[in-house]
Amino acid sequence: QQQVKQSPQSLIVQKGGIPIINCAYENTAFDYFPWYQQFPGKGPALLIAIRPDVSEKKEGRFTISFNKSAKQFSLHIMDSQPGDSATYFCAASMGNEKLTFGTGTRLTIIP
Amino acid sequence: SQTIHQWPATLVQPVGSPLSLECTVEGTSNPNLYWYRQAAGRGLQLLFYSVGIGQISSEVPQNLSASRPQDRQFILSSKKLLLSDSGFYLCAWSVLGGISTFFGPGTRLTVL
Repeated sequence: QQQVKQSPQSLIVQKGGIPIINCAYENTAFDYFPWYQQFPGKGPALLIAIRPDVSEKKEGRFTISFNKSAKQFSLHIMDSQPGDSATYFCAASMGNEKLTFGTGTRLTIIP
Repeated sequence: SQTIHQWPATLVQPVGSPLSLECTVEGTSNPNLYWYRQAAGRGLQLLFYSVGIGQISSEVPQNLSASRPQDRQFILSSKKLLLSDSGFYLCAWSVLGGISTFFGPGTRLTVL
């Protein structure tokens, strides 16, 4: 079964800290790994995505680290702000379609 | 630019009643369309996937059905709702070789 395991389930970080959310996948055919940010009552919004030919990708304060041999990838948020408080989902797919999602991480940034 | 619309935004329905949720996409042609469901505090589960008009793939057995009567219209239906159908329903679109999958604003369905 195609699964993506995400941890932790929830995370509380002080403003300015670096929350790290981890995901692991099983299907080696996956070649696209996006992260989504979701605020309460809203649809998920694409945050950043990576393909397995690179080990790291940065966009602003958000960084994905990718370890192909371990089949793991993680999201780091630099200089976290209270406005980053949201639920974050990792996902994986072949191509950019039919995403398989992790179970989500509820992130709270405290001032 | 591309936009995706869903309606209604919220819906409260009694058990056994029918359901129709609609999704439309603007600004793109021949998109792949998806229906996902998000249960409270859980991840997103893919329900249906469509690559074109009249072409629907069901990912999980359930009480729901989907239809795609037009290129950019996707409808989620049920003849008789169950309590377990409650959740947050999200329509999404992508194009082959595109950047990603993009989600609509969602419909909150409560079955009482």
